[in-house]
Amino acid sequence: AQSVAQPEDQVNVAEGNPLTVKCTYSVSGNPYLFWYVQYPNRGLQFLLKYITGDNLVKGSYGFEAEFNKSQTSFHLKKPSALVSDSALYFCAVRVSGGGADGLTFGKGTHLIIQP
Amino acid sequence: DSGVTQTPKHLITATGQRVTLRCSPRSGDLSVYWYQQSLDQGLQFLIQYYNGEERAKGNILERFSAQQFPDLHSELNLSSLELGDSALYFCASSVEVGQGYEQYFGPGTRLTVT
Repeated sequence: AQSVAQPEDQVNVAEGNPLTVKCTYSVSGNPYLFWYVQYPNRGLQFLLKYITGDNLVKGSYGFEAEFNKSQTSFHLKKPSALVSDSALYFCAVRVSGGGADGLTFGKGTHLIIQP
Repeated sequence: DSGVTQTPKHLITATGQRVTLRCSPRSGDLSVYWYQQSLDQGLQFLIQYYNGEERAKGNILERFSAQQFPDLHSELNLSSLELGDSALYFCASSVEVGQGYEQYFGPGTRLTVT
């Protein structure tokens, strides 16, 4: 079975400061990892993914994430936070090579950027 | 706008009833996924279809079923509804399966069972 943990329900960051939203995963095999963002009353928007290759992946809106195999982590980062980044962020995983493509999501982390 | 459309946006119904949720994937996407989002269970994968065929099942109840039609739109049927089925139901689509294709999500259908 695969699982995702997002240890923080909420992260508060001042505008202009760097932000990190944490994610750890557990899969039997190699993972495909994803970050999505959800704004109030909206669907999930794809931010970025790790499939293979470079451990640092860049995505939409200036976000990036670092894959760390030894720590089974895939933390989301941004060098300078904007108030508009305030939203609910989900980390998701699926195992590569499997027959199913359904994603397993973490519980989500509320990111609050304070002006 | 992801290009995935879902209807209706909101649905209010009574316990014991049956409802159908509809999803149109992005143009060119062959695979459709259904997810349920609730406060206590979080986001859960229900079922996946690829080019009209069921490909994978997740935590889908026996009272729930889905299908994907030749034009690739999909419907999720929920029957014998219970209060606990109240949730936001998302449809997502991807261009292909396997590999690490990202999924694009629709705006969701909010189901309220009273």
